[in-house]
Amino acid sequence: RKEVEQDPGPFNVPEGATVAFNCTYSNSASQSFFWYRQDCRKEPKLLMSVYSSGNEDGRFTAQLNRASQYISLLIRDSKLSDSATYLCVVTAGRRALTFGSGTRLQVQP
Amino acid sequence: ETGVTQSPTHLIKTRGQQVTLRCSSQSGHNTVSWYQQALGQGPQFIFQYYREEENGRGNFPPRFSGLQFPNYSSELNVNALELDDSALYLCASSLEPSGAKTEAFFGQGTRLTVV
Repeated sequence: RKEVEQDPGPFNVPEGATVAFNCTYSNSASQSFFWYRQDCRKEPKLLMSVYSSGNEDGRFTAQLNRASQYISLLIRDSKLSDSATYLCVVTAGRRALTFGSGTRLQVQP
Repeated sequence: ETGVTQSPTHLIKTRGQQVTLRCSSQSGHNTVSWYQQALGQGPQFIFQYYREEENGRGNFPPRFSGLQFPNYSSELNVNALELDDSALYLCASSLEPSGAKTEAFFGQGTRLTVV
């Protein structure tokens, strides 16, 4: 079983739609959680950290459920520029980042 | 731009050869991590260097080795290249070892093709 599991997609949505991505992790000792965005053939870039209380950054909302070991990312009012692969990332203590395989989003006009 | 630079950007090698990839970390960052990203997969942790010492290693064989220099730049060396080593190799630098609440900044990667 992979440490971090994501639905690979692709998710094809029209502009303006709301889309949600889910992620589960297996290591109950995981302490830090992130969503990274990766454009085609580019490096990953931090989109947002995920906190237990949930957090929002503009059109993006991230949620964490430690009991279920589940992380989500909600994107409202999708833009064409949101098309990318979204990587769920967890880490335990001082260990390096553990990435999921990513969920591909394609926003269509 | 993240301030993390990798070289070369693309490389083609023959099976059995050796390769060295280089990374210059962001100014002030003393931690460098290397990741391998195969097509359609997320990055997989290879190893991390903190203040010139190896500070953790993923599930990669010993033919993957590294160095970190006093200026905190880093090298990834791969010996006896195999076809499955073809991937995007990413370097990430951070203020402290990954896992703390410290953002990791990635370089643009080196795309290695083994033929």
